[in-house]
Amino acid sequence: AVQMTQSPSSLSASVGDRVTITCRASQGINNDIGWYQQRPGKAPKLLIYAAFTLQTGVPSRFSGSGSGTDFTLTISSLQPEDFATYYCLQDYSYPLTFGGGTKVEIK
Amino acid sequence: EVQLLESGGSLAQPGGSLRLSCTASGFTFSNYAMIWVRQAPGKGLEWVSVMTARVSGGNAYYADSVKGRFTISRDDSKNTLYLQMNSLRAEDTAVYYCARRPNYHHSSGYYYDYLDYWGQGTLVTVSS
Repeated sequence: AVQMTQSPSSLSASVGDRVTITCRASQGINNDIGWYQQRPGKAPKLLIYAAFTLQTGVPSRFSGSGSGTDFTLTISSLQPEDFATYYCLQDYSYPLTFGGGTKVEIK
Repeated sequence: EVQLLESGGSLAQPGGSLRLSCTASGFTFSNYAMIWVRQAPGKGLEWVSVMTARVSGGNAYYADSVKGRFTISRDDSKNTLYLQMNSLRAEDTAVYYCARRPNYHHSSGYYYDYLDYWGQGTLVTVSS
């Protein structure tokens, strides 16, 4: 099974900060990774798929990058509504595996 | 508007059974793979099961943690995805989400899957 190691597990940031979250796959996944945002008590929401592709309707301050086994979600200028937990998901092979999550909190 | 509505979650005893449903609307259900994902209280997301579209074979895949106990199925005439959960354990306690799993045909020829619409979730509690 592909293991997805996500870091950091939590971070504190201020509105306007640039935030970077990383997922490392235990093997190559052909850029088959998505990023999801989950606010408390809500269902996850798709932000990025195929490593780089921004889902329709998602603000352009979100971006995805990486290749091989290392992938990054970047929020260029953190907004109040971005305080949430973020997960990566590899969709390359079964079993599908999520990263452990990154909780973004207000500093 | 795409909508997914889960139901069937409740309190069950260890060793018991439940059947979850996910009723879809706003899109051609039969054309899409569908997935179940769960989240234990205070924990992260865990993939449970996938069923591909019938046109793609109607194949089912399971996490090792539920293999042999859970069965995913779909009734395209009812726009509904199911998860039959048998031999329930305390560790199955979670909110269960269904999601739509379309794919994107990249210029490289590769098909990328993703989860674009999610239901609101249904809570399953396994306890005596």
